[in-house]
Order: sequence, then C-alpha cells, then structure tokens
Amino acid sequence: KNEVEQSPQNLTAQEGEFITINCSYSVGISALHWLQQHPGGGIVSLFMLSSGKKKHGRLIATINIQEKHSSLHITASHPRDSAVYICAGRRWGSQGNLIFGKGTKLSVKP
Amino acid sequence: DTGVSQNPRHKITKRGQNVTFRCDPISEHNRLYWYRQTLGQGPEFLTYFQNEAQLEKSRLLSDRFSAERPKGSFSTLEIQRTEQGDSAMYLCASSFAGDTEAFFGQGTRLTVV
Repeated sequence: KNEVEQSPQNLTAQEGEFITINCSYSVGISALHWLQQHPGGGIVSLFMLSSGKKKHGRLIATINIQEKHSSLHITASHPRDSAVYICAGRRWGSQGNLIFGKGTKLSVKP
Repeated sequence: DTGVSQNPRHKITKRGQNVTFRCDPISEHNRLYWYRQTLGQGPEFLTYFQNEAQLEKSRLLSDRFSAERPKGSFSTLEIQRTEQGDSAMYLCASSFAGDTEAFFGQGTRLTVV
C-alpha cells in the first residue's frame, strides 16, 4: 500500500462541474502539497498546507490532520483545468523527502 | 528570475553511456531537490541539498547516480552506465529552508535505448 493514496485515479467532468480529488496518507507529515502537472512534465505548486483550508481563485484545498486526509476542490471547472493533480506529503523529520501520490488525471470536457 | 531551469529538456542515450543533467534553481533558494518520475507514476524523491551540502539521499540513488551542488547554486545529476530502467523524467525543484513551497522545473526526460 502506498503511503500517499489518491482517488480517483482518473476523472472526467463536464465544464462547470464541481470537482473533488481526495488524498489520504498513512505516514506522519509536516505539510501537504497539491501540485498540477501538465502534459510535457512541468509541475506547478498549487497549495502547501499543514492545517485547515486554503483558497486560490476557483481552487480550494482542505486538510484534516486527525483523519490524515486532504481534498482539492475545483469550482466551475474549465477545460483548461485538465491536468494531472498530485498530492505530496513532506515526511516528518525530512525537509527534502516529499512522498507523492500517483496523481489524478482530470479531463474537463467543454 | 525565470524560475527553475533544467537542461536539457530531452536526452536520448544508448545503454551504457553516461549522462549529466543540470538544474538552475531560483537564485534566492537555498534548497534544491531532485526527483524521478516514471510513466504513470508520481515522482519519487532522489536527493536534496541545502546550499552545497547534500543532506539526504534516497535508497533509489544507486552507486551509478551522483549529484553535486558545488557552489550552492546550480546542481548536476550524473548517471553512469545508463540502463533502460533509468528512462524517466528527472525533476528538479527549489525552495527556501523550512516547510515552504517548492518550485519545480520542467524536467529532463531521459530515454535510454
């Protein structure tokens, strides 16, 4: 079992739909990152959070430390949101060692 | 500053050859990280530097892999005697020290034939 699990693996949505991507982790982490990866490989950091909730535009990220669970929400989804979304936990005691989920491939249809 | 820069973007090499990749981090960042990503998988941690010191190495980093950051600025990742299993995207990221946001480069895609 991976230390960071994401669901779903693949997600297809219609433009305008509300999207939720889930991330569960089984190890102690000091922070959790949500990343966006487009075809070609480039990764963009969306959020880093260690508690509560953060919002940026149409994106919202939440984390529940007790339940070891985080969610990424996209409101009013758009085809340009199509990408792979990856969550990654920073392992306690290791400043460099991010543990990544396998990613959720999102496709938003017009 | 244009962000984290990696060169080359693509590299095709024959099995057994040595390859070297370069990463130029965001200039103010003292931490630099290397990750590897194979097709359909999330990235995996390889190593990281704080300034010129290599502070942590993954067990994935076999003896054929070596990384340096001689002046605490750019870093190189060398793979000796490449194998087909080394084919992957090699990602570099940089950040300030502490639990801060990491910024990623575009990656170097290595294909070993």
